[in-house]
Amino acid sequence: GAGVSQSPSNKVTEKGKDVELRCDPISGHTALYWYRQSLGQGLEFLIYFQGNSAPDKSGLPSDRFSAERTGGSVSTLTIQRTQQEDSAVYLCASSPPRGVGTGELFFGEGSRLTVL
Amino acid sequence: QKEVEQNSGPLSVPEGAIASLNCTYSDRVSQSFFWYRQYSGKSPELIMSIYSNGDKEDGRFTAQLNKASQYVSLLIRDSQPSDSATYLCAVRQGGFQKLVFGTGTRLLVSP
Repeated sequence: GAGVSQSPSNKVTEKGKDVELRCDPISGHTALYWYRQSLGQGLEFLIYFQGNSAPDKSGLPSDRFSAERTGGSVSTLTIQRTQQEDSAVYLCASSPPRGVGTGELFFGEGSRLTVL
Repeated sequence: QKEVEQNSGPLSVPEGAIASLNCTYSDRVSQSFFWYRQYSGKSPELIMSIYSNGDKEDGRFTAQLNKASQYVSLLIRDSQPSDSATYLCAVRQGGFQKLVFGTGTRLLVSP
């Protein structure tokens, strides 16, 4: 597909379990972002990758959250020991080189996480 | 104080009217400002960007930026029911590429 692809689209897990969310950005896009959106809330920045630079992890809410981006393409967001407050839609977005600094983000459809 | 603030709404306007959406931001060194539209259950999509003080028009949409007062607004002329959505204001902070979003304003356009 031509867009940002995220999987799984829905994930239900039990409190305390680990989850992995995957993002496949648009080919050629150098920047990749993770946000999360709780019900009725805005987008909360989590982490930003740009090329081979060190990621901006300033938005990760706790050390239970981590993310990596392999080969400058696919990214995985991992949440360890999930808590109920982690329930949200996790959105991935990518941006082309010409868009970096202009804020043109292309979003995936999101991964809805429900922690029971 | 939140980095980017918006009235959550809902803002209700009749079809054909002008909808005015406002946003304020706290970081004075912010350089780039954006409006994203998010339909219910969907992901955000970029509709306008603005970088300089003044107005920028694109079809029925006009973005306005006032850096001295630290606010940015979006006007939608001839509002249509299909414009009903949540509008998210986003600000790129200083020299960082991180894009910070407001909580969004829900717009309802009634036929």
